[in-house]
Amino acid sequence: AQSVSQHNHHVILSEAASLELGCNYSYGGTVNLFWYVQYPGQHLQLLLKYFSGDPLVKGIKGFEAEFIKSKFSFNLRKPSVQWSDTAEYFCAPAMNRDDKIIFGKGTRLHILP
Amino acid sequence: KAGVTQTPRYLIKTRGQQVTLSCSPISGHRSVSWYQQTPGQGLQFLFEYFSETQRNKGNFPGRFSGRQFSNSRSEMNVSTLELGDSALYLCASSKGLAGTDTQYFGPGTRLTVL
Repeated sequence: AQSVSQHNHHVILSEAASLELGCNYSYGGTVNLFWYVQYPGQHLQLLLKYFSGDPLVKGIKGFEAEFIKSKFSFNLRKPSVQWSDTAEYFCAPAMNRDDKIIFGKGTRLHILP
Repeated sequence: KAGVTQTPRYLIKTRGQQVTLSCSPISGHRSVSWYQQTPGQGLQFLFEYFSETQRNKGNFPGRFSGRQFSNSRSEMNVSTLELGDSALYLCASSKGLAGTDTQYFGPGTRLTVL
């Protein structure tokens, strides 16, 4: 069955630390890949997406993600986090491109000032 | 432009009752998707409607149903409510199909079943 796994459920970092959140999916076909973020008190919103082309994609607020097809991964990175990055992050692959999106369980990121 | 709106924002029902939730998408968006969010299961896909047709359905029992109107507004209905249906129900809209486009989420409807 198609599935998505986010390895870290809770991450605590200090400001200026580097961040990498893992995301793996199980599906051998083509995928569209999304990262969504929910800041405290706000709606879920798109952070970045990958459909095709350069596997390194950039999103809002300095985030980027790399699609590694051979590893079925789409990890999210940020070189230096800020307190305002405190939020819950969801990896969401859409397998078969026009099929439904499957959301990961989410990673709660807490940045210490 | 106005975002996705959901009504009501909060709802309390008792077991066995039924409930209807409403979602108004962003103007011009033809796809509306519904999700159930709980602390234990996270965000689970319920269904997606595109131009009044159900395009995809998640693994939920038949008690969960939905529809989309010609103006793209959508409703979801849950019949014979169970305690486990207590959750935040999120609606998201997009211009194209959810898997091919950016989704814009509403604030959700918090359903509590007593």
